[in-house]
Amino acid sequence: DSGVTQTPKHLITATGQRVTLRCSPRSGDLSVYWYQQSLDQGLQFLIHYYNGEERAKGNILERFSAQQFPDLHSELNLSSLELGDSALYFCASSAQSGGWMGNEQFFGPGTRLTVL
Amino acid sequence: GQNIDQPTEMTATEGAIVQINCTYQTSGFNGLFWYQQHAGEAPTFLSYNVLDGLEEKGRFSSFLSRSKGYSYLLLKELQMKDSASYLCAVSPGSSNTGKLIFGQGTTLQVKP
Repeated sequence: DSGVTQTPKHLITATGQRVTLRCSPRSGDLSVYWYQQSLDQGLQFLIHYYNGEERAKGNILERFSAQQFPDLHSELNLSSLELGDSALYFCASSAQSGGWMGNEQFFGPGTRLTVL
Repeated sequence: GQNIDQPTEMTATEGAIVQINCTYQTSGFNGLFWYQQHAGEAPTFLSYNVLDGLEEKGRFSSFLSRSKGYSYLLLKELQMKDSASYLCAVSPGSSNTGKLIFGQGTTLQVKP
């Protein structure tokens, strides 16, 4: 157990709908990262928040948005869903911002999204 | 562009040693991470290299050559539970934001 929690574990919805995925980082961690993992594209970085501020953006679609709240939990909002958005969405957290020893990212169990 | 290459699959025998290679081309470099991921589970951190050389951690070691854009993960005394996907990830860029670019992963099957 990494200490990172994600809800829900599974989500099934229809095309065109909007969903919200939630992540609570490990106690004390200030950084939250979101990743998408699909069979054909592997693990793709979406966005990084540090202490409430956006720090880095990957190839995140305009239909997707995220935020980190004052209590440090984060939400990823996916709208106008398409079949191709079906994937496993992971949240990770780290103590600080940046990729260096001692600041490794700990991953949550993921949310499996199925768009029908 | 940014690119990370790993072999797709490898097979090894219980008790043996296996080396999983990773080559990368990125704009800037702040370090290379190795993660283990069992099917349907979250990736778990294995190792981090930022300087050239070998980092040893129990049965797992990781090597980095920045000039060659090359790393490998060495697993010794293989156990059945080591059957998993191994992900190589690079922290790119001139400013260290923590963003990671992952390779497609190498699925390792350990046979008795």
